[in-house]
Order: sequence, then structure tokens, then C-alpha cells
Amino acid sequence: GAGVSQSPRYKVAKRGQDVALRCDPISGHVSLFWYQQALGQGPEFLTYFQNEAQLDKSGLPSDRFFAERPEGSVSTLKIQRTQQEDSAVYLCASSLAQRGRYEQYFGPGTRLTVT
Amino acid sequence: GIQVEQSPPDLILQEGANSTLRCNFSDSVNNLQWFHQNPWGQLINLFYIPSGTKQNGRLSATTVATERYSLLYISSSQTTDSGVYFCAVEPDSGTYKYIFGTGTRLKVLA
Repeated sequence: GAGVSQSPRYKVAKRGQDVALRCDPISGHVSLFWYQQALGQGPEFLTYFQNEAQLDKSGLPSDRFFAERPEGSVSTLKIQRTQQEDSAVYLCASSLAQRGRYEQYFGPGTRLTVT
Repeated sequence: GIQVEQSPPDLILQEGANSTLRCNFSDSVNNLQWFHQNPWGQLINLFYIPSGTKQNGRLSATTVATERYSLLYISSSQTTDSGVYFCAVEPDSGTYKYIFGTGTRLKVLA
């Protein structure tokens, strides 16, 4: 079956531009997560949705970062006025989160480079 | 917050060798997964193992939750096993998010 997909796979933005990153989770998965992975580091949590409700956004680094999942399926992570420190790989994960199935499945990521 | 330490940080093996990777965590956890991040950056699920032992081909994993550690065993390593291995834990606080370990970078030589 289809896994988690993300688009675009690569994005180059000039400092100050806004970007939007898309995540299509596995069909039927209730939970959706965004993580940020800097070069040479492990992924770090950004935000979590259960269906359309954003239950945790404690990892978003600033108010320039905004995420939504309006219909409980596709999610978009938006970064306004990008800065060089935003350069990283942004990973999306989804989980069935019921009937004992809590493992997270990750997409291929979007590599964002801010110049 | 919870600390997740992995060892060794780097490992070089000859093809066919066996290895054990360790993940220590500083507090109780709800869930634990092992991932392999391949050279193209994709995180591949290896095991979902909050407790007990599982095996899948040349790989097996054991989590002893009461002692706060998990082990990943790789037998008869192949060059395709190269990459970074992460353990990730969900703290026992119902937060749902994963805290990733520091990773073990594995290189298998032909």
C-alpha cells in the first residue's frame, strides 16, 4: 500500500520568502506528526495532530512556523519569512494510533535550503 | 525531559560480522521504535518494541523496559545495512511525540 508522501522533495528559498510543505499520510491514520532534522542530528518533534485537531505544537521554534490539517488528512507546514537557520529536512509521520497500533511511519522528507 | 543515549556512536564492520546497538533511556516509556535511516534519508521502520523480543530476518531487538534499555542485533551484516540507526521513545506521559536518540552511524565494508 501507499506510504507517507511529502512534497516537494527539495525546496530552495531565498531568505525572507514563505514556503509551504505538504504531507499526505497513510490513508486512515489518525495521528500526524511533523519533525525537523538538522544535518547530522536526529529528528526533533515540531507538532502533532489527532485528526484535524492540533494537540501539541510545543516544538515549533517560532511563530513563523504554522501547521494545519483542516480535514484530518493532508497536512501543510508553513514557514513564513524563512531564515537560514530554518534549513533542514522536514519529516512527516503518521500513525494509526488505535487498536494497539501506535508505530509511526515516516515520509521521505522535504529538504529545505534557505539561501 | 527524558534523555535517550545510543552507543556506540560510530561502528565500522566487515561484511558478515555481527553487532549489537544499544539504546538507554532515562525514564519510563510508552512506546519505542527502532529505525534505519538509509543514505537517502528515508527512515525505515525496523521494530515497534515497547517491551519484549522480536526478530525479523537477520535483525532482532529486545527491550527491557524496567531497566530502561533496548538492544538491536544485526547478524551477518551486509553493505546495505549501512546508514544511521535511531531508537525513538514516547515518554510515559501520553505526549504521543517521539524523542529520538543520538543515533549509531554504521558502515559495513565489502
